Amino acid sequence: NAGVTQTPKFQVLKTGQSMTLQCAQDMNHEYMSWYRQDPGMGLRLIHYSVGAGITDQGEVPNGYNVSRSTTEDFPLRLLSAAPSQTSVYFCASSYVRGSYEQYFGPGTRLTVT
Amino acid sequence: SQELEQSPQSLIVQEGKNLTINCTSSKTLYGLYWYKQKYGEGLIFLMMLQKGGEEKSHEKITAKLDEKKQQSSLHITASQPSHAGIYLCGAYRNAGNNRKLIWGLGTSLAVNP
Repeated sequence: NAGVTQTPKFQVLKTGQSMTLQCAQDMNHEYMSWYRQDPGMGLRLIHYSVGAGITDQGEVPNGYNVSRSTTEDFPLRLLSAAPSQTSVYFCASSYVRGSYEQYFGPGTRLTVT
Repeated sequence: SQELEQSPQSLIVQEGKNLTINCTSSKTLYGLYWYKQKYGEGLIFLMMLQKGGEEKSHEKITAKLDEKKQQSSLHITASQPSHAGIYLCGAYRNAGNNRKLIWGLGTSLAVNP
């Protein structure tokens, strides 16, 4: 099993550009989520999904879109990148929502100039 | 202010020394999770504590939950360079009909050989 994979590992965008961060898991987990990690702010939940076709907003959803067409994939879209979106992004999955053990991807380090 | 406060923020120890990291909650703790993040990588689940007084060990890492103090401590015995990284605590909070996972800001640990 590859676990949770994320691509790309690093990305630099100009303000206003759009891009999609990819996340996939091969553990048949129902619950998937996206976090951003910033110094002094810790991990903050952006969006989450409790199953294919179902998504919901977390704490900091503005500027991000998600979709969940399959159990395996949960891409995060930045529609118009802003410098405030410079961060490290983590995708995580677990068997169900509320499961105590989440599996994290290696992260994507995004810089918006 | 953070609902989960971790102390210390950072720690540098000599290899072989023992150390303790604390995670204190501003609200009642019903369960607490410890994760480790290696620099530049995702989070790895270490252990979960569910009941007051519970103590769990994984290799040389022991975690305890003191429900009365609303605190958990993570103790590393005879630290090694492989213990270096950021240790994060997480806990679930009830938010209406849902549960929300909140995180501490992390404790950065360096172990000098």
